[in-house]
Amino acid sequence: SYELTQPPSVSVSPGQTASITCSGDKLGDKFVCWYQQKPGQSPVLVIYQDSKRPSGIPDRFSGSNSGNTATLTISGTQAMDEADYYCQAWDSSQGVFGTGTKVTVL
Amino acid sequence: EVQLVQSGAEVKKPGESLRISCKGSGYKFSDYWISWVRQMPGKGLEWMGKIDPSDSYTNYSPSFQGHLTISADKSISTAYLQWSSLKASDTSMYYCARHENTLGLDYWGQGTLVTVSS
Repeated sequence: SYELTQPPSVSVSPGQTASITCSGDKLGDKFVCWYQQKPGQSPVLVIYQDSKRPSGIPDRFSGSNSGNTATLTISGTQAMDEADYYCQAWDSSQGVFGTGTKVTVL
Repeated sequence: EVQLVQSGAEVKKPGESLRISCKGSGYKFSDYWISWVRQMPGKGLEWMGKIDPSDSYTNYSPSFQGHLTISADKSISTAYLQWSSLKASDTSMYYCARHENTLGLDYWGQGTLVTVSS
């Protein structure tokens, strides 16, 4: 089965840039989405189709996808961005989530 | 306003059956797929399967195939996730979410906590 691998944790200082990677075989051939989940809340879509932002998502969130790696970048990270982040792709019409990354804003 | 409202928390015993629901509003229910996602306590998100409410076509993750059933009633804009025989390992939070086939899950329900314990 298809697997997506993320680093377990990323730490970032307020105002700095956080980058979260998502690795999978030929991932660049698929569309990748990213979700933010804060404790006790449902996930929220922050990036779809590799790099598009849904309405209401701040432009400090951006995404890219090439080769075997997709990346979610949070520029000018704020304390409110502290959360778990999951990548997600479709493989043969089946959904696959990444292992998840906890972003800590120090 | 698009909303997905899930049924309330459940406490069941092993071997019991259960059906939880996800009611959509604010959009044409049959125009979007509904996926179900599991999140075990303290763990990550797992995609379980999806249904096209327009014709009830389903697609399950191999990890969940055969253990549960996804269904929908488009006349009442509601999708369901059901088990015929629960196990303790089914204790989890379950989310429904809508999407356009293989695009992003753009609206999520509030989650249904299922606890299975003797």
